[in-house]
Amino acid sequence: QKEVEQNSGPLSVPEGAIASLNCTYSDRGSQSFFWYRQYSGKSPELIMFIYSNGDKEDGRFTAQLNKASQYVSLLIRDSQPSDSATYLCAVNRGGYSTLTFGKGTMLLVSP
Amino acid sequence: DVKVTQSSRYLVKRTGEKVFLECVQDMDHENMFWYRQDPGLGLRLIYFSYDVKMKEKGDIPEGYSVSREKKERFSLILESASTNQTSMYLCASSPGGNNQPQHFGDGTRLSIL
Repeated sequence: QKEVEQNSGPLSVPEGAIASLNCTYSDRGSQSFFWYRQYSGKSPELIMFIYSNGDKEDGRFTAQLNKASQYVSLLIRDSQPSDSATYLCAVNRGGYSTLTFGKGTMLLVSP
Repeated sequence: DVKVTQSSRYLVKRTGEKVFLECVQDMDHENMFWYRQDPGLGLRLIYFSYDVKMKEKGDIPEGYSVSREKKERFSLILESASTNQTSMYLCASSPGGNNQPQHFGDGTRLSIL
């Protein structure tokens, strides 16, 4: 069974700080990695995806991938209270863009 | 923007009923997915479809079936609803091929009494 592991949190950071969310995966052959944000009672919303080793930046968000260590992370700079949500890491699991999701990390940003 | 529409936000049904959950996407995506999400268990894949009339089982297909008669529409069917199928059901779609991001609908919170 291919697994995706995340710390459940909550991860608490003050407003303006950098939030670092981490994810490890078991399938060394995984090729694509996705971060979703899910507000309480809402559906997951795609934030970023990354395919290659290294960093990928989009606004305040940076995704980092290290395939050798089977590790993917999401950095949120200048965290805002509106960033408070559960962040889901997802990894491709086979054909047809199927994904395995982690159980998510809850982020709390305090004013 | 991708739009995935689920027919109901909240639904209450009785044990033993046949329940239909509908999902429509407007981006001509080949792949469509049904998940359920439960506290502590995360998102679990029930079924997916990669083309009209084509379907594959996910991790927890027992008690469910699906139908995809048109490219834009993917239906989840609970053949005989049971209380342990009370959950949040999420539909998603993605473009064809591998390694594409999935986009989710708003979800249906289903309660089986």
